[in-house]
Amino acid sequence: DAKTTQPPSMDCAEGRAANLPCNHSTISGNEYVYWYRQIHSQGPQYIIHGLKNNETNEMASLIITEDRKSSTLILPHATLRDTAVYYCIVSDGYGGSQGNLIFGKGTKLSVKP
Amino acid sequence: SQTIHQWPATLVQPVGSPLSLECTVEGTSNPNLYWYRQAAGRGLQLLFYSVGIGQISSEVPQNLSASRPQDRQFILSSKKLLLSDSGFYLCAWSGTIEQFFGPGTRLTVL
Repeated sequence: DAKTTQPPSMDCAEGRAANLPCNHSTISGNEYVYWYRQIHSQGPQYIIHGLKNNETNEMASLIITEDRKSSTLILPHATLRDTAVYYCIVSDGYGGSQGNLIFGKGTKLSVKP
Repeated sequence: SQTIHQWPATLVQPVGSPLSLECTVEGTSNPNLYWYRQAAGRGLQLLFYSVGIGQISSEVPQNLSASRPQDRQFILSSKKLLLSDSGFYLCAWSGTIEQFFGPGTRLTVL
């Protein structure tokens, strides 16, 4: 079973920031938080990951609380192409056999014009 | 650069027929390979993973099997398909940080 809890759906206005929450209260000290997204009928795409520090890349920012029990993925300026299902995953590896990714149901983000 | 291929893209098969889905990866060596299934309206379920040629680990019991005859080839098979095998099948390989997914095969069992 997935070790994360996410809201099933969210809406966001185009051009505004999308903030997607994730709870992972049972996360272990060696587990990373990963975010992937899946656009309809495509394979998932990696977005970002982090351990305990906040992270930022060209796609998004990841804010992890100090106790690591929750995190927020931020898309700073959402576009219509960001409409997708977003998955928050905790894993103790870099996607290798020692850290298989367990996908939950994710959050369906709908970006509206 | 690395690429991952899956075929066929779509497949319609009758119940009880055999199945063979193929996945190949280019541009990397000795990758960890994965098969996932996504049933309609559900999340991705990990079916099999492989850390090397001939090494297969199964995550869920079912009538599917996987094989890795070559370093960059991963095959998903079934001797007799069930209606419940319908879904979107995704192959993936793991890089240093993330998993890279193929385009998927949409299987409909009638």
